[in-house]
Formats: sequence, structure tokens, C-alpha cells
Amino acid sequence: SQKIEQNSEALNIQEGKTATLTCNYTNYSPAYLQWYRQDPGRGPVFLLLIRENEKEKRKERLKVTFDTTLKQSLFHITASQPADSATYLCALDTGRRALTFGSGTRLQVQP
Amino acid sequence: GAGVSQSPSNKVTEKGKDVELRCDPISGHTALYWYRQSLGQGLEFLIYFQGNSAPDKSGLPSDRFSAERTGGSVSTLTIQRTQQEDSAVYLCASSLDFAGGNTEAFFGQGTRLTVV
Repeated sequence: SQKIEQNSEALNIQEGKTATLTCNYTNYSPAYLQWYRQDPGRGPVFLLLIRENEKEKRKERLKVTFDTTLKQSLFHITASQPADSATYLCALDTGRRALTFGSGTRLQVQP
Repeated sequence: GAGVSQSPSNKVTEKGKDVELRCDPISGHTALYWYRQSLGQGLEFLIYFQGNSAPDKSGLPSDRFSAERTGGSVSTLTIQRTQQEDSAVYLCASSLDFAGGNTEAFFGQGTRLTVV
């Protein structure tokens, strides 16, 4: 069955460092992969979308890579700030025509 | 402009009662989704509506769950004979289209359902 895996353990980093979050998937070849941010008590908010023919996508301090051979996406936040603390979810189409989400990784940026 | 609106924001109900959750999508969005999120868990897909096509109900956990979308706009998720395991946050999202995931989804703030 299709599976999307994100590190369930929280990632704790110091302010100013680069945070790197991983999304691995199996048994599917999505044409697109998306990343969302979710704050406690709120719905997810879209951050970035990357296509299968794009190796890398950037938006301000955010960078996403997409390796279709490894079936992996990496999400980077450079110069991290305490306000970046949240849960980050990856999502992709697993053939159902509705996004399937990973369970998310909680990021905590310490001042 | 208005985003996706869900009501109520919180609902406490007794076991065995029926509940209705409402979602107002962004105007013009043809795709509408319902997800469920239990405490500390990821999003579990429930149902997907796209235009006038038959909905994808493959994620509904039991026949106690149903959803409809009237006039291609407002959607209602109904849970009959609620059980304690139905307690979760129910999230609605809409998007311009699905098309393989190349369109971002806009989420409402969710309805927190507690079955006591």
C-alpha cells in the first residue's frame, strides 16, 4: 500500500540554524508534492508545491527538493526563527485524486 | 476575501446522537475535501467532491458517515449514532481543481468534535 513517512519525532534546533525535514513515500510516482504548515488548533496552510521535473523550489527562506529516484522530498528552512515553530506536513497524490498527507514533523526553534 | 468556513468550531455531543458539520468552501472552487485529524495524528482522508462528478467516498470509516454537497458549494458531513472514537477535528478544504495535486488546498479552521 502507499505510504508517506515523516519523522514523527520533534525536531529541535537553535534559532538561526537551518531546519531540514524529510518526507519519504513508497509505491507511487506522484507528479507533484506539496508542503503545508499547521499551527496548533488551526488547519494546514499551503507553503510550496514542487513538480516531478523540478529538482528544487525556493520561496524566501524555504527550499524544497524532490528526488523521484529516492522517492524523497526534503524541506529546508534557513535562518530559522522561533515563529517557524509548527508542524510541517508533506502531501501528494496517491492516485485517489485527493491529497494524501504524511503525519507531519513538529519543529521547535529555540531562541 | 473569505476563506473556507466551517461551523460549528466546537461540538460536544452525547454518544449515540447524530451530528452535522458544515463547510462553506471558497467561491469558485470546484473541489472540496473532508479530512479527520485525531490528536497528534496526521490527516485522514474521508471524502472528495469534484464538480458534478460522483464523490470519492473511499475514506469514510463506516456507513454512519455520509456527506453531501449542495449546488456545488456548501457541504455537510453527517455522523450518525456517534461513538467516542469519532472524537477528532474534522477539517474541510477546497481547491480550484485537483488535477493530480498541482493545486493548493485551502483549509478551514476545523470543527472539534467531542463525543461524551
